Amino acid sequence: DAKTTQPNSMESNEEEPVHLPCNHSTISGTDYIHWYRQLPSQGPEYVIHGLTSNVNNRMASLAIAEDRKSSTLILHRATLRDAAVYYCILRVRSGGGADGLTFGKGTHLIIQP
Amino acid sequence: NAGVTQTPKFRILKIGQSMTLQCAQDMNHNYMYWYRQDPGMGLKLIYYSVGAGITDKGEVPNGYNVSRSTTEDFPLRLELAAPSQTSVYFCASSYRLAGGSYEQYFGPGTRLTVT
Repeated sequence: DAKTTQPNSMESNEEEPVHLPCNHSTISGTDYIHWYRQLPSQGPEYVIHGLTSNVNNRMASLAIAEDRKSSTLILHRATLRDAAVYYCILRVRSGGGADGLTFGKGTHLIIQP
Repeated sequence: NAGVTQTPKFRILKIGQSMTLQCAQDMNHNYMYWYRQDPGMGLKLIYYSVGAGITDKGEVPNGYNVSRSTTEDFPLRLELAAPSQTSVYFCASSYRLAGGSYEQYFGPGTRLTVT
């Protein structure tokens, strides 16, 4: 899998937007960009994914740069429950789904009340 | 749906002992996975399965075995426990999303200590 680079940690205030960056300069045209998060003492959970266009769902938005070499996960109004480690992961589009996810160390998001 | 369930939640093993970590999913997903997570690190893939009767190695398979006799269950076996296998183990299953990618659902994990 192509490599992703994320900041080790970020801090934000409750009820403010949070922008979590991810660099993936070696991304190929068939790589999907996935985001997962892991709350303390829990398994990871899916947040959002995209290929080329920006994406929105009930949890977050994903903004993908035009050249696809970077992306940003946007939490529109952070709550204390959003404090977690956020992982940016690339998945090959043609994969049959059987290959596992390659997790880096992710970004530890701290939310201040 | 219960989703992905794992038992036990915690276990302490002595060096050389064996155990089986249980994983079950009730979402009828074909794909299932085992990961381990060492402190402060991301998850690493141990084994995966694309369906009943079919398994394959991931990034760190040494010291582990798996079987998949049903769609629902995917147990992970440790034959001769070693301190290096002290970790948190996560089981996951996945299905295909619209547009061709996949979302994985994770269980709550089993925290294993080998002393």
